[in-house]
Amino acid sequence: DVKVTQSSRYLVKRTGEKVFLECVQDMDHENMFWYRQDPGLGLRLIYFSYDVKMKEKGDIPEGYSVSREKKERFSLILESASTNQTSMYLCASSFVQPNTEAFFGQGTRLTVV
Amino acid sequence: GENVEQHPSTLSVQEGDSAVIKCTYSDSASNYFPWYKQELGKRPQLIIDIRSNVGEKKDQRIAVTLNKTAKHFSLHITETQPEDSAVYFCAASRGWGGGNKLTFGTGTQLKVEL
Repeated sequence: DVKVTQSSRYLVKRTGEKVFLECVQDMDHENMFWYRQDPGLGLRLIYFSYDVKMKEKGDIPEGYSVSREKKERFSLILESASTNQTSMYLCASSFVQPNTEAFFGQGTRLTVV
Repeated sequence: GENVEQHPSTLSVQEGDSAVIKCTYSDSASNYFPWYKQELGKRPQLIIDIRSNVGEKKDQRIAVTLNKTAKHFSLHITETQPEDSAVYFCAASRGWGGGNKLTFGTGTQLKVEL
């Protein structure tokens, strides 16, 4: 059974803090993704990675960075958290072959106060 | 980049009725179109997908149709049941050409009433 695990289910941080969201997958997937989910806006891609130490910007990368030091782990970093980054964050992974299923983590509900 | 529009944003049906959700996409190079279901408080999960060389695909009570010329695809759920109540997301991908990343629609909240 595929598992994509995000380190926290709920997180509350203060404005200006540096925030780390962690994601680990156990399926040896090459691709990993970070999405942000907001009501009425669907899932928007922040960053993705197709290999260790490789990363590409998605549609809304501003204010975020990522790190992939190991194949199974993909971290999302909020350099200086702001209230408009309050959201649900979803990690996903898939094989590099095209048109294959993406598996999602359970999500991290981040609140920035 | 790709843009995916999804309608309606909310849909309420009576148990046993059919439900249809429609999506349009902008990038003619997109060739993979999955549908994800997200139950309340849970992660999105793939329910069905279709590739550009196929016009229709069925899996029990759900089906997806694709019109590449018009750049739209639809999800059809027949004989709806209360457990079908969830948010449904359509998505599109270019496969190799786009790093296998998915562009999602804005979601449809489906409510199946008894």
